[in-house]
Amino acid sequence: QQPVQSPQAVILREGEDAVINCSSSKALYSVHWYRQKHGEAPVFLMILLKGGEQKGHEKISASFNEKKQQSSLYLTASQLSYSGTYFCGTGGQGDDKIIFGKGTRLHILP
Amino acid sequence: DAGITQSPRHKVTETGTPVTLRCHQTENHRYMYWYRQDPGHGLRLIHYSYGVKDTDKGEVSDGYSVSRSKTEDFLLTLESATSSQTSVYFCAISEPPWVGSNYGYTFGSGTRLTVV
Repeated sequence: QQPVQSPQAVILREGEDAVINCSSSKALYSVHWYRQKHGEAPVFLMILLKGGEQKGHEKISASFNEKKQQSSLYLTASQLSYSGTYFCGTGGQGDDKIIFGKGTRLHILP
Repeated sequence: DAGITQSPRHKVTETGTPVTLRCHQTENHRYMYWYRQDPGHGLRLIHYSYGVKDTDKGEVSDGYSVSRSKTEDFLLTLESATSSQTSVYFCAISEPPWVGSNYGYTFGSGTRLTVV
């Protein structure tokens, strides 16, 4: 069950905020977030575990609502370096692998 | 210094030939994964390994086989390459969250495979 990400793509001006959503049809234990720049490998941003926690990483933070089986990634005061494709990956209790969404392309304009 | 390397980085091969991609890690992680990435599909799991000689299928395993004879090496073989297997292949390493891991997957730099 591949998680669904929304929006598929977003264009922002530098300094604006963005929210990327990830939802699953199955009960979740963990949600991962990654960023991939063109021609490069995905890079791990953060992992959220069951418990509804919110995490922060510089101006990038995320929340996890396991009851709704959803996670959201928040990018505040976006910078040019935030451009790329963002992937969420989800796993259930006891899963030893995660399934990735199709990604959200984020383009930041100066 | 990333602890995971893939080889080759680029390969062009002919339809029907066998191809083997190599993933090597120096982190001693138990879990290793092979994904393929295609436009519009994101990252799709091919096979993964949870220990030496312990492997399992992912969502797109047809036409692929894997082997892990040492902790540090995970090989992906395309038994008879087809044009539909033209893709970028990523290897990843990790430890699952229920063992106390708080970090995600570390990906290799990828192998761009073209089947002509």
